[in-house]
Amino acid sequence: GAGVSQSPSNKVTEKGKDVELRCDPISGHTALYWYRQSLGQGLEFLIYFQGNSAPDKSGLPSDRFSAERTGGSVSTLTIQRTQQEDSAVYLCASSIYTGQNTEAFFGQGTRLTVV
Amino acid sequence: GENVEQHPSTLSVQEGDSAVIKCTYSDSASNYFPWYKQELGKGPQLIIDIRSNVGEKKDQRIAVTLNKTAKHFSLHITETQPEDSAVYFCAANENQGAQKLVFGQGTRLTINP
Repeated sequence: GAGVSQSPSNKVTEKGKDVELRCDPISGHTALYWYRQSLGQGLEFLIYFQGNSAPDKSGLPSDRFSAERTGGSVSTLTIQRTQQEDSAVYLCASSIYTGQNTEAFFGQGTRLTVV
Repeated sequence: GENVEQHPSTLSVQEGDSAVIKCTYSDSASNYFPWYKQELGKGPQLIIDIRSNVGEKKDQRIAVTLNKTAKHFSLHITETQPEDSAVYFCAANENQGAQKLVFGQGTRLTINP
């Protein structure tokens, strides 16, 4: 595709349910990032993938959060036993890894609402 | 770890005037400083970035300056237009070569016609 694609665009779930958020990065981008944006706040780093491995998962808030990436492409962020404080916009970004920082392209995000 | 502070949180300017947004960072090892623009309902989009080996970079009406000694960098938008209205985020990589970006809290810029 032309850009980073995230699905669903909106998700409403009941407290205690599990949710899966999907990210399709730009073809050929080896680096993939997940960020969380709470209402009116900045972007909070969650996890970074290089290929299928995650050298930095320091931002995952708790063990209810996990992410995987398969085939060096699609990534899924899973939140188990959702809580109301998990409500936020979850943003995915991808970039070409060249050994130094390059432009990270963001998707439009998934707005998660836990009721 | 890296900490990025951004000011002001909101900024309102008259169309045609200039806007300046400032950020400070804490980790002297950071060497990459991008600025992102986020319009309502969209993901952030890179508008300009600067690396620590230069002090200033310009792209048409947008410029970024970097002071490594003071550990601060600024975004300058000249001849502002209504379409410049958005939320702007500064960021810094966590340390030299790190892929993780640490973002400021954002500045909501409003251009008044």
